[in-house]
Parts: sequence; structure tokens; C-alpha cells
Amino acid sequence: GAVVSQHPSRVICKSGTSVKIECRSLDFQATTMFWYRQFPKQSLMLMATSNEGSKATYEQGVEKDKFLINHASLTLSTLTVTSAHPEDSSFYICSAPFGSDTQYFGPGTRLTVL
Amino acid sequence: QKEVEQDPGPLSVPEGAIVSLNCTYSNSAFQYFMWYRQYSRKGPELLMYTYSSGNKEDGRFTAQVDKSSKYISLFIRDSQPSDSATYLCAMSVGSNDYKLSFGAGTTVTVRA
Repeated sequence: GAVVSQHPSRVICKSGTSVKIECRSLDFQATTMFWYRQFPKQSLMLMATSNEGSKATYEQGVEKDKFLINHASLTLSTLTVTSAHPEDSSFYICSAPFGSDTQYFGPGTRLTVL
Repeated sequence: QKEVEQDPGPLSVPEGAIVSLNCTYSNSAFQYFMWYRQYSRKGPELLMYTYSSGNKEDGRFTAQVDKSSKYISLFIRDSQPSDSATYLCAMSVGSNDYKLSFGAGTTVTVRA
């Protein structure tokens, strides 16, 4: 199947700092990518849709200024958690559509804010 | 009512048993149905992908879709301890609308 990578896999940062997470489609192009957040023992919560060459579309309740998304190329989307606080600690996962109607997910990034 | 309902379990079975997982949905516009497997602290891995009603088999896995009843299933035959994971059903409208609606996920433990 298609491969989606994420970097870093784990990050620990101090409160108030910003953290950037990269999502790459390794062997295919993706004009759209999705960013999810997952809390322990819960399902994935869609945060935003990343669109190559245009602004991201955020789900209701997700702060645009808090979670900055940039889709600079057909294989790379980045999520920056700005001024991170402990409540932002979570598992962040990206996905990219492949073919007409299915998606492949990255391995996830575990963010811990101290 | 959630768009996609999935029993979160947990489900514990002995090795070799058949695992049966189910999801129901309310949106009749859903056309594409997927099952993902997620190990702890990892991203979801696509297991099965179906479009039409009926059965689709891949090795020990069988996905079943009944659009008239808005019901999908995943069966795992001859279950192994390595099948212990959380299984998520997901579905989309398709036609370039890639947004997925997920079930809550069912945690499965296969006992050796």
C-alpha cells in the first residue's frame, strides 16, 4: 500500500514553545491531506483538511491560530502547534487519500507538553 | 445519534477463534467502507476496503457490507495474538469527498 510518513514520532516540549510536525506522502502525490488528533482509548478526531496551494479547512472548534497548517508541496503538509500547553498533549496523525476513495495514515506523532 | 456506531468492546477471544466486528451507520450517502487496524501508539493501518454490498475476502479477513441495512462487518478467522489491536471502521461519501467518518474502535485481545 501507499506510504505516509510523519516526523518526529515523539516530541517533548516546554509550555509556550511551538512544535512543527511533518507529514509526507512517500510514493504518491497528495493535493489533500488530513490532520487528526487522538486521545487515549478514543477514536480519531478530524482537526483540519490541508490543501496544497490554498488555505486549510478547519473543523468546528479547532483554533486556526493555534494549529497552523501549511501544505507547501504535493508531498508535504506541516502542522505547527503554536504556544503549546499541556492540554495540547496528544497523538497527532495525518492521512492522505490514495486513489479515489481511501486513505493511508502516517504512524503518528506523540506530543507531550510539560 | 452518531453517524457511525461501533461497539468499543473490549473483546477477548482465545487464539484460533473467529473475531466478529460490526458497525452501523445512519448516512445513506456513504459509499466506501474501510476497516483499519491500530496497534497501541501507532497510526491506523488499512486492512480492507470495499465499495459494493457483499463480501470481500483477503486471507483471514472478510469484510461484509449490507447497504440496505446500513451495516458492515469484519471477520477475522483463525485469530492470532498478533491480531490484538483496536479495529476502526471508517466510511466516506466518496466522489472526491475524502472525509472519513469513524466508528469508536473495538479493542480486541486474542489470548494465546
